[in-house]
Amino acid sequence: GQNIDQPTEMTATEGAIVQINCTYQTSGFNGLFWYQQHAGEAPTFLSYNVLDGLEEKGRFSSFLSRSKGYSYLLLKELQMKDSASYLCAVRIYNTDKLIFGTGTRLQVFP
Amino acid sequence: DSGVTQTPKHLITATGQRVTLRCSPRSGDLSVYWYQQSLDQGLQFLIQYYNGEERAKGNILERFSAQQFPDLHSELNLSSLELGDSALYFCASSTDGANYGYTFGSGTRLTVV
Repeated sequence: GQNIDQPTEMTATEGAIVQINCTYQTSGFNGLFWYQQHAGEAPTFLSYNVLDGLEEKGRFSSFLSRSKGYSYLLLKELQMKDSASYLCAVRIYNTDKLIFGTGTRLQVFP
Repeated sequence: DSGVTQTPKHLITATGQRVTLRCSPRSGDLSVYWYQQSLDQGLQFLIQYYNGEERAKGNILERFSAQQFPDLHSELNLSSLELGDSALYFCASSTDGANYGYTFGSGTRLTVV
């Protein structure tokens, strides 16, 4: 089966750093994606990892360890607008199907 | 504008009715995906079409059906609607193997009363 786990909620302070973890057990891994979703809006693409290691993109970085079935999204210099849900998704090999975790709701406080 | 167009944005209908949600993919994308997102729930994969053919099926109810037309737009038909079908329905499109995953439309919020 397919299983993707993320914490349900996290809180952090403006200007701080937060790490959102994701663990997965899927059949046929072909890449891990992170999306940001503000309430009632469409998810928007943040990052993609297919090989082990860290991918950095501005204030956001994403890490992948395929042997451990583990990824994290690191958000630096948090801003109020970063308050949103962060969705971890795994692409299944030989299809383009993305399986999503339930998302982590991040609240950033002043 | 993501390039993926969904209509209508909002839909309110009664139990037992049937509705059709429409999606036009980003130019050049051959794959269309439908997802359901209920309140405080994750995105649940419903179905995928690729160039007019069904490619993958998820947890889609028998009361729901979809198709992709020759111009690549897709429709999701929901029938015998129940209160529990109230949700956000997202359409997404992609190019095979793209490193950015999917591009999502803005969604259709369906309320069944």
